[in-house]
Amino acid sequence: DGGITQSPKYLFRKEGQNVTLSCEQNLNHDAMYWYRQDPGQGLRLIYYSQIVNDFQKGDIAEGYSVSREKKESFPLTVTSAQKNPTAFYLCASSTTGGHQPQHFGDGTRLSIL
Amino acid sequence: ELKVEQNPLFLSMQEGKNYTIYCNYSTTSDRLYWYRQDPGKSLESLFVLLSNGAVKQEGRLMASLDTKARLSTLHITAAVHDLSATYFCAVEGTRGFKTIFGAGTRLFVKA
Repeated sequence: DGGITQSPKYLFRKEGQNVTLSCEQNLNHDAMYWYRQDPGQGLRLIYYSQIVNDFQKGDIAEGYSVSREKKESFPLTVTSAQKNPTAFYLCASSTTGGHQPQHFGDGTRLSIL
Repeated sequence: ELKVEQNPLFLSMQEGKNYTIYCNYSTTSDRLYWYRQDPGKSLESLFVLLSNGAVKQEGRLMASLDTKARLSTLHITAAVHDLSATYFCAVEGTRGFKTIFGAGTRLFVKA
């Protein structure tokens, strides 16, 4: 079955540590996205990528970094510069034409130790 | 800058009742999506609305889009407990790809 796989499901970060969240899709989608969701809040866009080796900052990119070396993969690194990283992180993908909805992974819940 | 506002943000209703959730957006767009999120879970696509006057229905939910008013509605008919979830509208900007989500409407249907 095609879908998006995020790992790990839960992640804990120590002070000063960088952590990387994995996102893999086998839907053959060109576009991929990372969102942050805080409790009781909507989704805020961190980064998005329309094509391999290219990505753009979203609304809250500070303290985060991404790469897009393969079509299937769009990992997100939460750096030590992100002072309030505790949140639910959602990865999504979509086609780039035809105005289709985004498909979401199951999310990674990140907490500070 | 595209902004998306939903109301109400919280809705508690009795089973069997009808209600409407509203989604207003600030700039021109003809691509609007509705998603459902269960607690602690991911988002599931409900409806895709791509033109003025578009109406989609699935079970007890019906979504519509008025691009001139920059308004979409999600109407719930004869609510049941299983509809309890958070519902998000999301609007795609005219340049594509960047989609802005509303804050979500947390719906609780009481038996």
